[in-house]
Amino acid sequence: KQEVTQIPAALSVPEGENLVLNCSFTDSAIYNLQWFRQDPGKGLTSLLLIQSSQREQTSGRLNASLDKSSGRSTLYIAASQPGDSATYLCAVESNNAGNMLTFGGGTRLMVKP
Amino acid sequence: DAGVIQSPRHEVTEMGQEVTLRCKPISGHNSLFWYRQTMMRGLELLIYFNNNVPIDDSGMPEDRFSAKMPNASFSTLKIQPSEPRDSAVYFCASSWGNIQYFGAGTRLSVL
Repeated sequence: KQEVTQIPAALSVPEGENLVLNCSFTDSAIYNLQWFRQDPGKGLTSLLLIQSSQREQTSGRLNASLDKSSGRSTLYIAASQPGDSATYLCAVESNNAGNMLTFGGGTRLMVKP
Repeated sequence: DAGVIQSPRHEVTEMGQEVTLRCKPISGHNSLFWYRQTMMRGLELLIYFNNNVPIDDSGMPEDRFSAKMPNASFSTLKIQPSEPRDSAVYFCASSWGNIQYFGAGTRLSVL
């Protein structure tokens, strides 16, 4: 059974700092990995999707990497801003799982002005 | 499109009552997912529909939970009878392809 772990569970940084969020998964037979953002009281918004054949994806100040063989992914946020404060979740779609995702517990990020 | 629409946004009920949560997916999406989110267990997939047909309901906790998708534009998740441990935020998501689009969720409190 696929298990997804995110470290740290919470992170507080000053504005402007570059930061890295970590995600690990136990079964490397994945179809893709996604990073989501969740604001308090809201649903999830997909930020980046990395196919299993890819190494990284970039969107603006966000860069996500994938090392499938070691079961790890990182989300890099450059020049963090208070508006980046949210919970970030990674999710994997395992092979033969249809479109079903297994989520990590999330990292709650606070960027202080 | 207005996105995935869930109702109600908040539900407070007493133990033993029936609860029905509703979801309208994005038009044209062919997959629909129901999730439950709690502090202790995080985000868990309950059931997944494709083209209105339930594909995997292994995440449904017990027989008290049931879900239907009578057509491509509507789905319900029913809990009968409800229990305090069912208190959580329930999300519906829809997709066409790999990206799932989430509704704002229904916060359920069972007293």
